[in-house]
Amino acid sequence: QSVLTQPPSVSGAPGQRVTISCTGNSSNTGAGYDVHWYQQLPGTAPKLLIYDNNNRPSGVPDRFSGSKSGTSASLAITGLQAEDEADYYCQSYDSRLSAWVFGGGTRLTVL
Amino acid sequence: QVQLQESGPGLVRPSETLSLTCTVSGGSMSGYYWSWIRQPPGKGLEWIGYVYSSGTTHYHPSLRSRVTMSIDTSKNQVSLKLSSVTAADTAGYYCARIRFSYNWFDLWGQGTLVTVSS
Repeated sequence: QSVLTQPPSVSGAPGQRVTISCTGNSSNTGAGYDVHWYQQLPGTAPKLLIYDNNNRPSGVPDRFSGSKSGTSASLAITGLQAEDEADYYCQSYDSRLSAWVFGGGTRLTVL
Repeated sequence: QVQLQESGPGLVRPSETLSLTCTVSGGSMSGYYWSWIRQPPGKGLEWIGYVYSSGTTHYHPSLRSRVTMSIDTSKNQVSLKLSSVTAADTAGYYCARIRFSYNWFDLWGQGTLVTVSS
C-alpha cells in the first residue's frame, strides 16, 4: 500500500479537463513537503511533469498544472489529448520514514 | 545532454544478490543524490535508496537490511546490490537523480527489468 493515495483510474474525452488527486498525511504532504508529479507513458520511464506543487519543467505544455492544499494535491490536465494517455504518479518526502514516497499511480484513459 | 543507463543481469536466482549499474553520461555526478527506484510489473513506484556524490548513502527502511549502494565518480557509475532476493523483488529498476537541496527526480534512466526465478 502506497504512502500517498491516488485514484486507480480516471478518464475523459478529448478536449475535456480531468483532475487526479493525491492525498498524504501529517508526516509528508501535511507536514509541508511539496508534491511532484510524473508521467509514465506505456513502456517508458517516468518523466517529471510538475515540481514543487505547481511548476512545470521546460517543455511541459501549460495544459498540465498542479496545486496543493493541506494534505492533498491535484494534477489538472486541460484540453485532453490522446497522447496524454499514461500513468501519473505523485511523489513527496515522508519525515517519519525519512524516505521519498510515491502514490500508487493513476491510469488516465482518453476515451 | 545528461543520460542515465542501467545495466545488469536480467535474471537472478532466488536467495542470490541482484547487482545493477547505472552509468551517467554527458554530465557531472557532483551535487546530486543518485537513487534507485523499482516498479514491479503492473504496479507502482518504490524508492529504494540513494547514494550522494560524496558517497553518503540512505536507504528505505523496509529494504535497509538487504541494500548496498556505492558510487565511482571516476567511472561515472553508481551501483545497487540487493541481497537475498525473492520473487517479490522482480521489477523494473530505474536509476534517477535528485539535485542537492531539491526533492524531485529530474532525470531517469530507461530502466532495466530484473526477474527473480530459478
